[in-house]
Amino acid sequence: EDQVTQSPEALRLQEGESSSLNCSYTVSGLRGLFWYRQDPGKGPEFLFTLYSAGEEKEKERLKATLTKKESFLHITAPKPEDSATYLCAVQAPGANNLFFGTGTRLTVIP
Amino acid sequence: GEEVAQTPKHLVRGEGQKAKLYCAPIKGHSYVFWYQQVLKNEFKFLISFQNENVFDETGMPKERFSAKCLPNSPCSLEIQATKLEDSAVYFCASSQMAGGQNIQYFGAGTRLSVL
Repeated sequence: EDQVTQSPEALRLQEGESSSLNCSYTVSGLRGLFWYRQDPGKGPEFLFTLYSAGEEKEKERLKATLTKKESFLHITAPKPEDSATYLCAVQAPGANNLFFGTGTRLTVIP
Repeated sequence: GEEVAQTPKHLVRGEGQKAKLYCAPIKGHSYVFWYQQVLKNEFKFLISFQNENVFDETGMPKERFSAKCLPNSPCSLEIQATKLEDSAVYFCASSQMAGGQNIQYFGAGTRLSVL
């Protein structure tokens, strides 16, 4: 069965303290791995999509990487405005819907 | 429009009443998806459309749930005879599906509270 597991469930960082969020998946023939950011009371906001092992993408303080079993979202020198829940999702073969993990709730303390 | 528009933002229904949620996808996007988000950020896929045709309905409960995407109208998700366990946030997403890329853009959601 396809599974997406995110860790940690929650993470508290001091402003400027870099860290990484993990998303491990068990999908054969991955068609795409997606990172979203969700703020309270809002819908998920698209951040990155990765398609093949070794691929990396960057946007401001965020960098996403992909291996054959997991993806990391690296946050460099985070700011309080980076506080949100970060969701990982995969697209399995033969499907167009996304299968989501339960997210990592990030809090950045000033 | 430039964003996925969902209405209403919040819907309160007594158990057994009907609930109808609406979604206007981004202009030019031919795919529409409905997801249900319950506690602990669990997203459950319900149904997807390609234009007005059902593309995948494997996540839809067989009873009580129905959905449509008609030309020149917002898409809709209807729940007949709501139950307490239907309380959740329902998200709609749309995708252009261009070049094989399935980037889904989400609306702000409709929070359904069944009392």
